[in-house]
Amino acid sequence: NAGVTQTPKFRILKIGQSMTLQCTQDMNHNYMYWYRQDPGMGLKLIYYSVGAGITDKGEVPNGYNVSRSTTEDFPLRLELAAPSQTSVYFCASSYGETSGAQETQYFGPGTRLLVL
Amino acid sequence: DQQVKQNSPSLSVQEGRISILNCDYTNSMFDYFLWYKKYPAEGPTFLISISSIKDKNEDGRFTVFLNKSAKHLSLHIVPSQPGDSAVYFCAASPNTGNQFYFGTGTSLTVIP
Repeated sequence: NAGVTQTPKFRILKIGQSMTLQCTQDMNHNYMYWYRQDPGMGLKLIYYSVGAGITDKGEVPNGYNVSRSTTEDFPLRLELAAPSQTSVYFCASSYGETSGAQETQYFGPGTRLLVL
Repeated sequence: DQQVKQNSPSLSVQEGRISILNCDYTNSMFDYFLWYKKYPAEGPTFLISISSIKDKNEDGRFTVFLNKSAKHLSLHIVPSQPGDSAVYFCAASPNTGNQFYFGTGTSLTVIP
């Protein structure tokens, strides 16, 4: 099992450009998540999905879009990149069989994004 | 609005001694708590969790204590080993939904 994989590892964007961060999991998990981590800060939830075709906003969704057409993939789209989106982005997945309790998330290695 | 707080950005401990990492939360709806460990350039990995129906959970060298009345949890590592050097995040989830709220992390250094 590869677990959760993310591409690219690192990217530099110019202000106003757009890009898609890819996330794939091979554990047949129902739930998937996107977080961002700013320097010296904790992880903030951007969007999450409880299954294919279902997505919902987290704490910091502005400037991002997601889709979940398959169980395995959960891409994160940045439109009109801004310097405030410079961060490290982590994708995670979990079984989602029990709400909250006993739920463990498995994280990808992260994508480091720099917007200049 | 940081609902989960880790007030110590860093901690240094001698090898073999106890490491105690602390976490406070403000939302009384949180009922499930986790600790994650993170090495540089890697994603966080799950370490240990505790449900609000318990006040202690132990897994080998790692023990998590929960004090609901104080809205406080702590992670004890005994004995500490150099390989434990990493950033530790606590996270909390409310009893409905699957959103997790993370603290800002504590960087633990275990000195050989």
